Amino acid sequence: RKEVEQDPGPFNVPEGATVAFNCTYSNSASQSFFWYRQDCRKEPKLLMSVYSSGNEDGRFTAQLNRASQYISLLIRDSKLSDSATYLCVVDSSYKLIFGSGTRLLVRP
Amino acid sequence: DAGVIQSPRHEVTEMGQEVTLRCKPISGHNSLFWYRQTMMRGLELLIYFNNNVPIDDSGMPEDRFSAKMPNASFSTLKIQPSEPRDSAVYFCASRSGADTQYFGPGTRLTVL
Repeated sequence: RKEVEQDPGPFNVPEGATVAFNCTYSNSASQSFFWYRQDCRKEPKLLMSVYSSGNEDGRFTAQLNRASQYISLLIRDSKLSDSATYLCVVDSSYKLIFGSGTRLLVRP
Repeated sequence: DAGVIQSPRHEVTEMGQEVTLRCKPISGHNSLFWYRQTMMRGLELLIYFNNNVPIDDSGMPEDRFSAKMPNASFSTLKIQPSEPRDSAVYFCASRSGADTQYFGPGTRLTVL
């Protein structure tokens, strides 16, 4: 079983749609969680951290459920520029463990 | 402020040749990571340095791969001899403590 699992997608949605990605992790001792975004042929970049109480950054909302070892990312009012691969990331002591990513395509 | 710098950005070589990838971390960052990304396997951690010391190289695929960090501002990843299955994008990343990890632009390696 992979340490971090994500649905690879792709999720193909129209502009303005709301889309949600989910992720599960296996190490219950993990302390920090993140969502990274990776554009085609580019490096991954931090989108947002994920806090236990849930957190929001504009159109993006991240949630953490420690009991279920489950992380989610919600994108509201999707834009064409949101098209990318979204990587779920778990901090396992000193190193980040990356999921394989969920691909999002936002169409006009 | 310069981010993580990697060179070369693209490398095409023939099987059996030695390949050296270079990385300059962000100044002040004490952790450096080498990753490999392929369509099949996603993003894999190869090796992690803390304060220039290799801490975890369990992700290094085999003896053909070696990495060094002679000082806080430079690291190399070497493949000798290279094989076609080594073709991938190799990312270097750096981090200060538990802060955000920043990636370099990557080196796209093609081994013919």
